[in-house]
Parts: sequence; structure tokens; C-alpha cells
Amino acid sequence: GENVEQHPSTLSVQEGDSAVIKCTYSDSASNYFPWYKQELGKGPQLIIDIRSNVGEKKDQRIAVTLNKTAKHFSLHITETQPEDSAVYFCAVTTNSNSGYALNFGKGTSLLVTP
Amino acid sequence: GAGVSQSPSNKVTEKGKDVELRCDPISGHTALYWYRQSLGQGLEFLIYFQGNSAPDKSGLPSDRFSAERTGGSVSTLTIQRTQQEDSAVYLCASSLDPRSTEAFFGQGTRLTVV
Repeated sequence: GENVEQHPSTLSVQEGDSAVIKCTYSDSASNYFPWYKQELGKGPQLIIDIRSNVGEKKDQRIAVTLNKTAKHFSLHITETQPEDSAVYFCAVTTNSNSGYALNFGKGTSLLVTP
Repeated sequence: GAGVSQSPSNKVTEKGKDVELRCDPISGHTALYWYRQSLGQGLEFLIYFQGNSAPDKSGLPSDRFSAERTGGSVSTLTIQRTQQEDSAVYLCASSLDPRSTEAFFGQGTRLTVV
């Protein structure tokens, strides 16, 4: 099955700095790559996603880049704020008989200190 | 409702007892997914429903786990003869249809088997 590796597992940055989280995957057929943010006691929430026909996507302070050849994609958060502190998960999937069932990375706990 | 609703929020059960976890997806969403989140395994896919049928049950860890969906809406995940290793947060997600990429998660049910 799909193997998704996510690094780092924990990340601490000063407010205003940038944060980068990286994921690699194994299945070259994967074509959809979302990032989820999970706050304590809540379910994951989609923050940005990218499809395999696009190399980069931006939404205000967050961006995702995809390298299909190398099978890795990254989340970039600029001008970090304390409210960005949460656990971030990358995921990988392809539309199949499972709809868009997600294969998740193990998560990155991001701490933004004032 | 406004979002995916799961009940109960927390469940403590004795080893060997059966439990039922409920998911109310967003109204009109035909695709429904169950995931399990545990410290050791991260977020794992369990089962996918399209309408009332489950084309993919491949993530169910054992035959003690089963799920059903009725009326194309509410889904119930049942765990029989619970074991301590079943302790985890069980998350439900729904999306508009099988080709919709964005999945909306509920807040989860925290199951503790003692």
C-alpha cells in the first residue's frame, strides 16, 4: 500500500518565522495531496491541497509545492502566528473504488512561540 | 447540520464489551469515511461508504469491526468484544460525492477500553 513519510515530527519556530514540513510518498499513481491542520480536541481541517498537474499553490500565508518526479511535497507557512500552533498532517490519495480515501503521514506538531 | 457530528464524544468501556459509534455526515454528502487515530499508528483509513454500500472495507483491522450506513446518511461503527488496543479516537469524514476531494471531519469519538 501507499507509504507516506512526514518530517519533522515536531517543529518549533518563533512568531514571524517560516515553517516548512515535508512529505514523501511511494505510489506514483497518487494524484491528490491535501494538508490538514488538527487542533486539540478537534477533527482535522483541510487547509490547502494540490493536484498532480500543478507544481505549486498558494493561499495567503500558506503554500504547497509538489515534485511528482521525486514523489515529495511540502507545506510552507510564512509569517507564522501563535494560532498556527497545531498538528499538521499531509495525505496522499488517488480516486478509486475508495473514493478519495486518504493515506496520512504521521503528523508534525508545530509550536509557534511569541 | 452545519458539520459532521459524531457521538458520543467520549466513551469508556470495559474490555470484552461491544460499542457503537455514530456519525451524522453533512446533509447531502454521499461519501462517508471512517478513520482511526492512535498514538502508535497515526491516522488510518478504516472503511468507505458511497450511499449505503461500502465498496472498500480494507482498513477494518479485524472481524470484530463492522459498519453500516442507512438512508444514505447516518453511519454506525460497531466494535465487538473490545480490546485495549482498540483505544483510539475514531474519526468520521464526509464529502459531497466520490469525486469530491475535500473531506470534512467530525470531532471524533475518543474510545478508551479499560
